[in-house]
Amino acid sequence: QVQLVESGGGVVQPGRSLRLSCAASGFTFSNYDMHWVRQAPGKGLEWVSVIWYDGSNKYYADSVKGRFTISRDNSKNTLFLQVNSLRAEDTAVYYCARRYDTSAYSVDYWGQGTLVTVSS
Amino acid sequence: QSALTQPPSVSGSPGQSVTISCTGTSSDVGSYNYVSWYQQPPGTAPKLMIYEVSNRPSGVPDRFSGSKSGNTASLTISGLQAEDEADYYCSSYTSSSSWVFGGGTKLTVL
Repeated sequence: QVQLVESGGGVVQPGRSLRLSCAASGFTFSNYDMHWVRQAPGKGLEWVSVIWYDGSNKYYADSVKGRFTISRDNSKNTLFLQVNSLRAEDTAVYYCARRYDTSAYSVDYWGQGTLVTVSS
Repeated sequence: QSALTQPPSVSGSPGQSVTISCTGTSSDVGSYNYVSWYQQPPGTAPKLMIYEVSNRPSGVPDRFSGSKSGNTASLTISGLQAEDEADYYCSSYTSSSSWVFGGGTKLTVL
């Protein structure tokens, strides 16, 4: 079955960096576009970034552009999000999500999320 | 990339119908039939309920339906059940090759 497992979250000081990972299994990872979506505590969902199945295209929300970098290693079935210059407002649970089979504009499977807390 | 606008909360009694609106702009909802709806019960990851405005993934009850008019999309849940109580989010593809979510709507089944 499809599984997405995020890791790499934690408590970090403002201005520092983290690298989030999402290990995928149960499907052919290299065939799917992958997204990162975040959710601040008690708040709504916020789309962060997408990377095409082959890594050829990457897009970002304006709020993270220039600070976050999405990447993937299809040989290791792993998605990454490098988060730099962290701010308090980046505090959130970060989910990775897989593009839906039937539509490129939706996601169907989500991980359980990894919590990033930015605090001094 | 401003968030799509949803009502913060809606409520209904079991068996009734409720509609959740999702208002965007001509750069997102108004330009593309790529609106999705997600259900998120407390403490869980979101679940896809509607894709491309009005299509249901396999396994989603036909009590859930979606539509769109101009810059506003809607999710209607008919025959409300207690298990439908959750937060609901719309999302849309945008002209910037990005996605945007709505602020979320808390559905309470009375």
